[in-house]
Amino acid sequence: GAVVSQHPSRVICKSGTSVKIECRSLDFQATTMFWYRQFPKKSLMLMATSNEGSKATYEQGVEKDKFLINHASLTLSTLTVTSAHPEDSSFYICSAPIKSAQYFGPGTRLTVL
Amino acid sequence: AQSVTQLDSHVSVSEGTPVLLRCNYSSSYSPSLFWYVQHPNKGLQLLLKYTSAATLVKGINGFEAEFKKSETSFHLTKPSAHMSDAAEYFCVVSDPDDYKLSFGAGTTVTVRA
Repeated sequence: GAVVSQHPSRVICKSGTSVKIECRSLDFQATTMFWYRQFPKKSLMLMATSNEGSKATYEQGVEKDKFLINHASLTLSTLTVTSAHPEDSSFYICSAPIKSAQYFGPGTRLTVL
Repeated sequence: AQSVTQLDSHVSVSEGTPVLLRCNYSSSYSPSLFWYVQHPNKGLQLLLKYTSAATLVKGINGFEAEFKKSETSFHLTKPSAHMSDAAEYFCVVSDPDDYKLSFGAGTTVTVRA
């Protein structure tokens, strides 16, 4: 069964609004989670590392004020896309490590109109 | 720095025939390597992982991969393709210190009836 969940699975919003995506680890604690972005027919691009109890670390080129990450508990990380624009439309996926492997959420399809 | 190169962007096979997906890696230390599968509009599912134990790794759904250090390869195989194997496959290398993943560009597998 799934070990990482995401909510919502799909969201459509208007340009200029903010959207929050949740990533939860099920039945295990995750002090670290990761957020990825995937464009159509492309590979995954790591956006940031979410750290429980401290600030997220962002990959080069990712705007931290645009993509707000909060790791409020050992089972929940949230990604908020602020002032969304059509170019933010994408598939966002989170992951959490268990031992030596990463387990991925089912993804969230964001469409900004 | 570490990276992976998937040598085939697209592989097409007939149902019941073998599947070979090629992956070469580059790593400055003993790598952890993974193969993930992604079905359309879905998250990633772990097929198998190599973490310096047996060089021949068996995964789910009949897939297996062989780690060859001399060739810096980690090719994925399945002896008999099934229609349900049609998907995107990613070869991934992990940084052992911070769990960050580096993805290959992906290989699209189509299965002909």
